[in-house]
Amino acid sequence: DAKTTQPNSMESNEEEPVHLPCNHSTISGTDYIHWYRQLPSQGPEYVIHGLTSNVNNRMASLAIAEDRKSSTLILHRATLRDAAVYYCILRDAGGTSYGKLTFGQGTILTVHP
Amino acid sequence: DSGVTQTPKHLITATGQRVTLRCSPRSGDLSVYWYQQSLDQGLQFLIQYYNGEERAKGNILERFSAQQFPDLHSELNLSSLELGDSALYFCASSAGLAGVTDTQYFGPGTRLTVL
Repeated sequence: DAKTTQPNSMESNEEEPVHLPCNHSTISGTDYIHWYRQLPSQGPEYVIHGLTSNVNNRMASLAIAEDRKSSTLILHRATLRDAAVYYCILRDAGGTSYGKLTFGQGTILTVHP
Repeated sequence: DSGVTQTPKHLITATGQRVTLRCSPRSGDLSVYWYQQSLDQGLQFLIQYYNGEERAKGNILERFSAQQFPDLHSELNLSSLELGDSALYFCASSAGLAGVTDTQYFGPGTRLTVL
């Protein structure tokens, strides 16, 4: 599986935008970029995914670099409820093990009131 | 609420024992996944079932086994338990055969403590 690199931790203030980076320099052409997050004492939850183009949904936006070697998850206005561990995951559409999610260490996001 | 239910929430047992963790997927979902989360290993994929059949295996020990029943609920059996098996065990479900854009919905987990 292609590897992702994320900062161990980030901090933000409530109501401010948050940009969570992810590096994936060995990404292949068939890898989708997925983001999941895990709130304290809960199971992971899906946030967003994309392949090449930037994506928006009600939770966040995903900005993907033109060369696809990095991406950024954007939370437009952080709330205290957004404090979580954020995981950037690559899923290979061309592989046979695409069912599993391979979690790295993720980024611990702290949101200050 | 993801729609995935797991029982029990907590389980405390002794080394050498056997336990069964249960998962009910979201209504209509055919795939069930099991993950283990421990402090030293992080979140790791164990095994996937699709419509009753095993489809993918991860870092699952031989002492562990799973199955998916005709009603699509799944059970993870852990035997000859060791202290190192203490962890959070998550079940997730998805609609199809885990296409690369399939979203996985996670349950609240079962916390296993082996004493």
